[in-house]
Amino acid sequence: EIVMTQSPATLSVSPGERATLSCRASQSVSSNLAWYQQKPGQAPRLLIYGASTRATGIPARFSGSGSGTEFTLTISSLQSEDFAIYYCQQYNNWPPLTFGGGTKVEIK
Amino acid sequence: QVQVVESGGGVVQPGRSLRLSCAASGFTFSSFDMHWVRQAPGKGLEWVAVIWYDGSNKYYEDSVKGRFTISRDNSKNTLYLQVNSLRAEDTAVYYCARGGPIVGAIGYWGQGTLVTVSS
Repeated sequence: EIVMTQSPATLSVSPGERATLSCRASQSVSSNLAWYQQKPGQAPRLLIYGASTRATGIPARFSGSGSGTEFTLTISSLQSEDFAIYYCQQYNNWPPLTFGGGTKVEIK
Repeated sequence: QVQVVESGGGVVQPGRSLRLSCAASGFTFSSFDMHWVRQAPGKGLEWVAVIWYDGSNKYYEDSVKGRFTISRDNSKNTLYLQVNSLRAEDTAVYYCARGGPIVGAIGYWGQGTLVTVSS
């Protein structure tokens, strides 16, 4: 099973600032990596798949990069609605699909 | 628009069973793989099971193998999860989710149904 590790666990950012979230895989997942956003009391929402392709309706301030074992989700200028928990997930070698433990982006 | 709506959760004693349902609308249900993903209170996401668009293949997370059964009825646009021999650690919100836009990614999620296993 591929283990996904996200860092940091919590990221404190001021509105308008840039946020950089990291995700590491225990072995290569190529570019088969997705990112999800989850707000309190809500279901997750797909942001990015293929490591860097934005899902339908996702604003351009969200970008993904990386391949192999190291990945990054960047939010270029944080808006109030972006404060949430973000999860990465690999789909290169499955089942099982595996998720990282999440990064909480909170207001500084 | 795409909608998946779960039902069937509740409070159940350890060792008992439950059947979760997921009603899908707004897309061609029979064309998409469907997943169940769960989230224990205050915890992260854990994938549970997937069923291929035509029901031909089913896969499970190790801790639920032999206890949970995923199924679908494409004529009713409905996904199911039969959960047997429930344990306290199965307590979670169970999300029904549609696969895509690429195999392995999960494009749309329902709001979830809470299963609480407690005596």
